[in-house]
Amino acid sequence: DAGVTQTPRHEVAEKGQTIILKCEPVSGHNDLFWYRQTKIQGLELLSYFRSKSLMEDGGAFKDRFKAEMLNSSFSTLKIQPTEPKDSAVYLCASSLGGNTEVFFGKGTRLTVV
Amino acid sequence: GDQVKQSPSALSLQEGTNSALRCNFSIATTTVQWFLQNPRGSLMNLFYLVPGTKENGRLKSTFNSKESYSTLHIRDAQLEDSGTYFCAAEANTNTGKLTFGDGTVLTVKP
Repeated sequence: DAGVTQTPRHEVAEKGQTIILKCEPVSGHNDLFWYRQTKIQGLELLSYFRSKSLMEDGGAFKDRFKAEMLNSSFSTLKIQPTEPKDSAVYLCASSLGGNTEVFFGKGTRLTVV
Repeated sequence: GDQVKQSPSALSLQEGTNSALRCNFSIATTTVQWFLQNPRGSLMNLFYLVPGTKENGRLKSTFNSKESYSTLHIRDAQLEDSGTYFCAAEANTNTGKLTFGDGTVLTVKP
């Protein structure tokens, strides 16, 4: 039984590049979340989808971050253009919906140089 | 963050001893999740709690919604328990969005 799958596990980008992170939620889950984890800010919500509809796009992250969910089994997070301050671990998570247990992928560690 | 205050921020235990971690919530919380993040960065689910208590092996967790806190008790700590423990609150919004504490870094020593 596959959990949440994220690719790539590691990404190194030069400042100004466009990168796309990918996520496959648990099969049958309706809610999908993108979080960012840094040592200073901890875990912050970037985007939230319910049944493929974008419900929240994380306010402060709007300008260069774009999350999409073209089908129920695949989501992308695009960062364009990347900046060194975007270096972090990006975590994707999914749940059945509502107040139900949330499961996380193993994350993508992004380094922007 | 301020909405979910986790304590202590770091903890060192001798193998075989017991301890407790705590989270206090300043937001209305419907459910609580506890995670263990291993050195590779994976967040492993430990508990999903509505108000009440759950137990799994050497771990036991309680969520008291009236007093807005949750605890995670570790009994007979083992080396493999080392890592960062996070609690996360799911607010009364029916959205599944989690607000995380800052984590407790646990080191178990032989």
